[in-house]
Amino acid sequence: DGGITQSPKYLFRKEGQNVTLSCEQNLNHDAMYWYRQDPGQGLRLIYYSQIVNDFQKGDIAEGYSVSREKKESFPLTVTSAQKNPTAFYLCASSIGGGGDAEAFFGQGTRLTVV
Amino acid sequence: QKEVEQNSGPLSVPEGAIASLNCTYSDRVSQSFFWYRQYSGKSPELIMSIYSNGDKEDGRFTAQLNKASQYVSLLIRDSQPSDSATYLCAVNAQGAQKLVFGQGTRLTINP
Repeated sequence: DGGITQSPKYLFRKEGQNVTLSCEQNLNHDAMYWYRQDPGQGLRLIYYSQIVNDFQKGDIAEGYSVSREKKESFPLTVTSAQKNPTAFYLCASSIGGGGDAEAFFGQGTRLTVV
Repeated sequence: QKEVEQNSGPLSVPEGAIASLNCTYSDRVSQSFFWYRQYSGKSPELIMSIYSNGDKEDGRFTAQLNKASQYVSLLIRDSQPSDSATYLCAVNAQGAQKLVFGQGTRLTINP
């Protein structure tokens, strides 16, 4: 089945730790995105990538890092510099960049700081 | 001014009625517009896309776009309790490389 797979579904982080959220897609999409959603809020863009080995900061990139070494993979690292990381993290992909194409989402990772 | 604005609701509609959801955007050159539905605790799913002025119908859903007024709406006819969810409007700008989302409107359909 084609789709976007995020793992893990739930993640707990201790203060001061870095954690990495996985996002894999087998849709052959060029563009991939990471969004953060806080309770009762919309989606805020963290990072996006239109092509392998290239990515751009979104609106709230501080405290996060990404890589795009393979077309199908776009992992997100939440670093200790992110002071309030508890949130629902959503990965999406679209067939092309530019925002013109429809974006499809993975099932999300819920991150909690303990 | 936020790039994409929606009334956060909650919007309460009786079962069988028409639910009307609205979205305004600030970037005049925006070209692509999307509506997503998000159930509580789940990820957003795409329900409609619209690219040109006018109406686009898909089953019980109709998206309406007015670029002159920078306004896009979603109508849900014959509302069902299963339509109760948060509806997110997303907009891109020509030449931009990202989708911008509104904060979402929470819709409740009352049996």
